Amino acid sequence: DGGITQSPKYLFRKEGQNVTLSCEQNLNHDAMYWYRQDPGQGLRLIYYSQIVNDFQKGDIAEGYSVSREKKESFPLTVTSAQKNPTAFYLCASSIDHVRDRYYGYTFGSGTRLTVV
Amino acid sequence: AQTVTQSQPEMSVQEAETVTLSCTYDTSESDYYLFWYKQPPSRQMILVIRQEAYKQQNATENRFSVNFQKAAKSFSLKISDSQLGDAAMYFCAYRRQGAQKLVFGQGTRLTINP
Repeated sequence: DGGITQSPKYLFRKEGQNVTLSCEQNLNHDAMYWYRQDPGQGLRLIYYSQIVNDFQKGDIAEGYSVSREKKESFPLTVTSAQKNPTAFYLCASSIDHVRDRYYGYTFGSGTRLTVV
Repeated sequence: AQTVTQSQPEMSVQEAETVTLSCTYDTSESDYYLFWYKQPPSRQMILVIRQEAYKQQNATENRFSVNFQKAAKSFSLKISDSQLGDAAMYFCAYRRQGAQKLVFGQGTRLTINP
């Protein structure tokens, strides 16, 4: 079955470390997104990518970096510059940024990142 | 900037009864899309229902229906015959025509009482 796989499900980071969250999709979707979820704040967009080798900052990109070397993969790195990284991170994809606007996103199951 | 507001942080309903979750949004656009997503305890986001702004007819998906009031910028979700499996966080979301991102509300936690 097609879908989006996020790994790991739980991740612990020490202060000052960079960590990378994995997101892989086999839906042949063009666009991919990273959202951060905090209690009482809904979901906020970190980065998104419409095509391979191209990505744009979302609303809260500071302290994060991404790459899009393959259509299927959109990893997110949480750097030491991110001062409050403890959160739930959701990856999503959509068919095409023009055609799919009606259909919304398909989401992965998320990664819970905790700073220890 | 577009904003989405869900004014009910928590709601509860008896099993088999009907509940309505509220959502308002702020936009100057005329062409856009609205969504309700469900996030159960597994935290997997699931699309419940969607509405195109140019359609006057309210969307319906089985026990889920919306009341879309474009002039009032309101998009409420009605769940009929509530079931225990409906217990979840519900997020309202907006997407402007041609835009990349979905803008989410803060969410409403729905509890179903047996």
